[in-house]
Amino acid sequence: GQQLNQSPQSMFIQEGEDVSMNCTSSSIFNTWLWYKQDPGEGPVLLIALYKAGELTSNGRLTAQFGITRKDSFLNISASIPSDVGIYFCFPGNQGGKLIFGQGTELSVKP
Amino acid sequence: EAQVTQNPRYLITVTGKKLTVTCSQNMNHEYMSWYRQDPGLGLRQIYYSMNVEVTDKGDVPEGYKVSRKEKRNFPLILESPSPNQTSLYFCASSSPGLAGEGEQFFGPGTRLTVL
Repeated sequence: GQQLNQSPQSMFIQEGEDVSMNCTSSSIFNTWLWYKQDPGEGPVLLIALYKAGELTSNGRLTAQFGITRKDSFLNISASIPSDVGIYFCFPGNQGGKLIFGQGTELSVKP
Repeated sequence: EAQVTQNPRYLITVTGKKLTVTCSQNMNHEYMSWYRQDPGLGLRQIYYSMNVEVTDKGDVPEGYKVSRKEKRNFPLILESPSPNQTSLYFCASSSPGLAGEGEQFFGPGTRLTVL
């Protein structure tokens, strides 16, 4: 079956630091989406990528669709306390049964 | 407002007592699914449905049942809950496409504790 590896599993950073996380897969995908889950809530879409090599920004967030179509990266610049939460990658076009990355839990110390 | 609703939000029950968690979406989405979230394991799909009367197993279907009699509703049934089903459960729906490749819209979650 499909393998999806998201890393790191958790991060503890100081406010103002930059954050990077990534997802890699053994399969090729046509879309990559990144979600954020605030404490006590359901995940919400942050950024969607639809083309290999695409680099997309949403405020302090930047995501890239790897050129091999097997990976994706999410960067958060100048982190703030409200960035706390769990970040999930999600490759699209999986065909019915879906898998998410294992999640990156981000803690930001003021 | 476009949304996915789940009920109840919190539930404490005992081993073996049948329960149902309801899920409803008002976006006319074809695809709906259930996930459980456990620490360190992320979101794991339990069951999914590509349309009315069409359901299939996800990665962790054991101990769960679902039904899709109407497009908007996708209840999760635990016939005989056990303590290892204590978890945080999310319902989600998505469109376009029947295969769930679009944006997933998640409900607020149901925190289930089985004693």
